[in-house]
Amino acid sequence: AQSVAQPEDQVNVAEGNPLTVKCTYSVSGNPYLFWYVQYPNRGLQFLLKYITGDNLVKGSYGFEAEFNKSQTSFHLKKPSALVSDSALYFCAVSPPQSNYQLIWGAGTKLIIKP
Amino acid sequence: GAGVSQSPSNKVTEKGKDVELRCDPISGHTALYWYRQRLGQGLEFLIYFQGNSAPDKSGLPSDRFSAERTGESVSTLTIQRTQQEDSAVYLCASSQDRYEQYFGPGTRLTVT
Repeated sequence: AQSVAQPEDQVNVAEGNPLTVKCTYSVSGNPYLFWYVQYPNRGLQFLLKYITGDNLVKGSYGFEAEFNKSQTSFHLKKPSALVSDSALYFCAVSPPQSNYQLIWGAGTKLIIKP
Repeated sequence: GAGVSQSPSNKVTEKGKDVELRCDPISGHTALYWYRQRLGQGLEFLIYFQGNSAPDKSGLPSDRFSAERTGESVSTLTIQRTQQEDSAVYLCASSQDRYEQYFGPGTRLTVT
C-alpha cells in the first residue's frame, strides 16, 4: 500500500540552529511531493513542492527540501530556525495515478525554543 | 484572487441535530476535497470531487455524512444526527491538476 511516513511526532530545535523534519514515502512511479505548514489555530499553508528537476527545492519562509529518489525521502530543512517556525508540518505525496489526491503524513510538531 | 472560503467559521450544535458546512473553492479549480482534523491530529480524508466525475466517498466515516458539489463551484458537507465524536475542524481544499491543494480556514464544529 502507498504511504507517507513522518517518523518523528515532535522535533525540538534551539533558535538559530538548523532544523530538519523528515519524510519518507512508499509510492510507485514518480510522485509529486509537498510540504504544508499549519500554524496554531490556522488552516494549512502550502510551503513547497517537488515536481521534477533540481532535487533541492526552495519554498516559503526560508524553507527548503531535498528530494532523494534512492532513499524515497523528502526532508524539510531550514539553515537557521526561528521561534515563529513553531508549527505542525505535514508531508504529502501525489502518486502518478492519484487523480489529484494526496497521501498525507501524520504530521510533525516542530518546537523552536528561544 | 480570492482563496478558498468556508462557512461558518464556528458551529456549535446539539447532539442529534443536522449541520451543513459550506466551501467555496478557488475559481477554476476542478478538484475539491473535504478533510477532518481532530485537535492536534493529522488530516483525515473524507471526500473528493473532480470535475463531473463521480465523487470519491471512500473516506466518509458513516452514512450520516454526505457531500454535494454543484459543477465546479460550491460544495456542502452535511452531517446528520451529529454525535460528539464529530467534533473537529472540517477543512476544505481545492486544486488544479496534480499541484498543490489550497486550504480554506476550516469550520470548527462542536457537538454538545
